[in-house]
Amino acid sequence: GAGVSQSPSNKVTEKGKDVELRCDPISGHTALYWYRQSLGQGLEFLIYFQGNSAPDKSGLPSDRFSAERTGGSVSTLTIQRTQQEDSAVYLCASSPGVAGGNEQFFGPGTRLTVL
Amino acid sequence: AQSVTQLGSHVSVSEGALVLLRCNYSSSVPPYLFWYVQYPNQGLQLLLKYTTGATLVKGINGFEAEFKKSETSFHLTKPSAHMSDAAEYFCAGCSSGSARQLTFGSGTQLTVLP
Repeated sequence: GAGVSQSPSNKVTEKGKDVELRCDPISGHTALYWYRQSLGQGLEFLIYFQGNSAPDKSGLPSDRFSAERTGGSVSTLTIQRTQQEDSAVYLCASSPGVAGGNEQFFGPGTRLTVL
Repeated sequence: AQSVTQLGSHVSVSEGALVLLRCNYSSSVPPYLFWYVQYPNQGLQLLLKYTTGATLVKGINGFEAEFKKSETSFHLTKPSAHMSDAAEYFCAGCSSGSARQLTFGSGTQLTVLP
């Protein structure tokens, strides 16, 4: 079946611009996660959604970052007023639920470059 | 708080040799542990996971890992390396508490020499 998809695969933007990154999780998966992978910081958790519960935003690095998940499916990560340190690969993952042993299935990522 | 440490950012082995990638965790509660592999320009793929039960876990592509509580370790092994195993490997942990996000180690780049 279809896996997690993300778009765009690459995004180049100028400092100060806003960007939106999209994630389509596996159908039926109730949990959705965003991570950031960068050279200096490795893989970092950003935010997760579970069903209709309030998202866990504890990993967002600043208030320039926000995310929403519409209809319990597609999610959009928005970065406002991008900075060069935002350059990274943004990975989305989904899971059938939030039981700790559930595998998270990852998308291919969006590579963001801020000039 | 959960933390995961991978010893060795780069490991090189000869084709056919044993692969050993090290992972240690720190946690006040038994964690759930995972090994993921990432090939260039691709997302992460699960190799294996430990939740409860048997401490020796077998995964895909001939990999296995052993959960050792006394050593707080979850090292990944494969008896005989193949060229196609060259990739970056990440150990990750998830506590059994309310938090469900994965905490990743810094990754180990595996090179397989002909």
